[in-house]
Amino acid sequence: KQEVTQIPAALSVPEGENLVLNCSFTDSAIYNLQWFRQDPGKGLTSLLLIQSSQREQTSGRLNASLDKSSGRSTLYIAASQPGDSATYLCAVLSYSGGGADGLTFGKGTHLIIQP
Amino acid sequence: GAGVSQSPSNKVTEKGKDVELRCDPISGHTALYWYRQSLGQGLEFLIYFQGNSAPDKSGLPSDRFSAERTGGSVSTLTIQRTQQEDSAVYLCASSLARSGPPQYFGPGTRLTVL
Repeated sequence: KQEVTQIPAALSVPEGENLVLNCSFTDSAIYNLQWFRQDPGKGLTSLLLIQSSQREQTSGRLNASLDKSSGRSTLYIAASQPGDSATYLCAVLSYSGGGADGLTFGKGTHLIIQP
Repeated sequence: GAGVSQSPSNKVTEKGKDVELRCDPISGHTALYWYRQSLGQGLEFLIYFQGNSAPDKSGLPSDRFSAERTGGSVSTLTIQRTQQEDSAVYLCASSLARSGPPQYFGPGTRLTVL
């Protein structure tokens, strides 16, 4: 059974810092890995998706990497801003007996950017 | 529509009542997923549809939960004889296909069982 772990559980940094969020997963048989952000009381916003054959994806100040063989992904946020404050969730889409089922999520990193 | 929509946004019900939650996926998305987010459990996958078919229902928490999808579009998640432990946010997502494309999430339905 796939398990996803995110470290740290919470992070508070001053505005302007670069930061790294970590995600690890136990089963490397995945279709893809997706990073989301969730604001309080809101749904999930997709940030980046990395297919299993890819090594990284970039969008603006965000860069996500994937090392499938070691079961790790990182989300790099450059020049952090107060608006980046949210919970960041990592999720993997794994193979099952008949193909893909649903995403398996980590418990998230609660990020606070201090102005 | 532009995004995944869910209704109602909030539902308060009494223990033992049945509830129906609705999801409207993004137009043209063949895959539809239901998830549940609760304080103690985080986000857990419940069931997915490819078209109108749900091949695997083993992720549903109990036999009080059922889901259907009609016309390859709207889906409903029904919870019978609700219990307090059913209180959670129920999230729906859709994607162009079952594996590969990103999943896009709706805003969720917050269910409170008194």
